[in-house]
Amino acid sequence: DVKVTQSSRYLVKRTGEKVFLECVQDMDHENMFWYRQDPGLGLRLIYFSYDVKMKEKGDIPEGYSVSREKKERFSLILESASTNQTSMYLCASSLFGLAGRFLFGPGTRLTVL
Amino acid sequence: QKEVEQDPGPLSVPEGAIVSLNCTYSNSAFQYFMWYRQYSRKGPELLMYTYSSGNKEDGRFTAQVDKSSKYISLFIRDSQPSDSATYLCAMSAGAGSYQLTFGKGTKLSVIP
Repeated sequence: DVKVTQSSRYLVKRTGEKVFLECVQDMDHENMFWYRQDPGLGLRLIYFSYDVKMKEKGDIPEGYSVSREKKERFSLILESASTNQTSMYLCASSLFGLAGRFLFGPGTRLTVL
Repeated sequence: QKEVEQDPGPLSVPEGAIVSLNCTYSNSAFQYFMWYRQYSRKGPELLMYTYSSGNKEDGRFTAQVDKSSKYISLFIRDSQPSDSATYLCAMSAGAGSYQLTFGKGTKLSVIP
């Protein structure tokens, strides 16, 4: 059963902490994405990657960085967590050339106190 | 004008009703149109995928695209309580495009 997994379902961190969110896919997909989802704002793209070690900024990259050292793994890093980064974080992957056929992970609900 | 507009609802219907969910968009370059279903506290899952204008049917679900009006619809026949979820429309300009533009989602409740 193909899937995207995220390291945590729920996470609580303190302001100023460095936070790592990990995403792993087992489908050999080239593209991987990090979104955040907030009520009333919908899904917003933070970063995406179309190949190992490649990354592109999405619509809201400020305060975030990413790492893709292996094809199957895409990490989102909050260098210094702030309360306005409390959100649902969703990872997705897709094959190149199949626009929009995203497979999403279950999400990580992050609370920053 | 926002690129994709979707009524957030909530929409509440009795079991067995026909449900119509809609999105409008402004970017005429969009060619690929998707509907995702998201259950509470879960990630979205791809429900329907359509290229260009026309209809696509899959069981109780029908996706409709009218590019001339920049309008897409998802119809659910014989709605079930298990259809209760948030439905997100999404669009892309090209097959190799990395970017998807999502609507904000419509929350649907099907009452037994």
